Amino acid sequence: DVKVTQSSRYLVKRTGEKVFLECVQDMDHENMFWYRQDPGLGLRLIYFSYDVKMKEKGDIPEGYSVSREKKERFSLILESASTNQTSMYLCATTGTAPSPLHFGNGTRLTVT
Amino acid sequence: ELKVEQNPLFLSMQEGKNYTIYCNYSTTSDRLYWYRQDPGKSLESLFVLLSNGAVKQEGRLMASLDTKARLSTLHITAAVHDLSATYFCAVSRTSGTYKYIFGTGTRLKVLA
Repeated sequence: DVKVTQSSRYLVKRTGEKVFLECVQDMDHENMFWYRQDPGLGLRLIYFSYDVKMKEKGDIPEGYSVSREKKERFSLILESASTNQTSMYLCATTGTAPSPLHFGNGTRLTVT
Repeated sequence: ELKVEQNPLFLSMQEGKNYTIYCNYSTTSDRLYWYRQDPGKSLESLFVLLSNGAVKQEGRLMASLDTKARLSTLHITAAVHDLSATYFCAVSRTSGTYKYIFGTGTRLKVLA
């Protein structure tokens, strides 16, 4: 079974802090994704990566950046957290696209 | 821009009844996916639909795809309480790299 691990289940940060969300997968998948999930808006794609050091913007990249230095790890960075970034963040991976995505358990981030 | 719309957003139904969730998407897509999310949990893949006319069934759930109409349906037969969850459709599209775009989700509540 594919295992996708997100480092924190719950996170509380203050406005203006730099926030790192980490995602690690154990299946040697090329493709990794970051989504945020908000009620009534579904899942919205923030960034994705199709190889080490390669990244592409999704639909809502503003206020976020990403890093993929190793194949198994994909980090989402909030440069200066704001209250409108309070959300559930989901990491997902897939091997040979377009196979189904495998999701981590999510990180619920609250920015106060 | 690839957009995915689901309806209804919320569905409350009695056990034993049938109902259909609709998923419309805006442009040509490679594949259509259905996922289930239980409260507090992550997303689990249910179906992958590959081509026009594709039909997949698992238990009381049946998914179909009409690529000409850009429409997928998830039909629930004789609903039971255990089917209560949020259901998402998603489409993948390649333009060099793969993007997976999700609908807003349908929150299904089956009443005993």
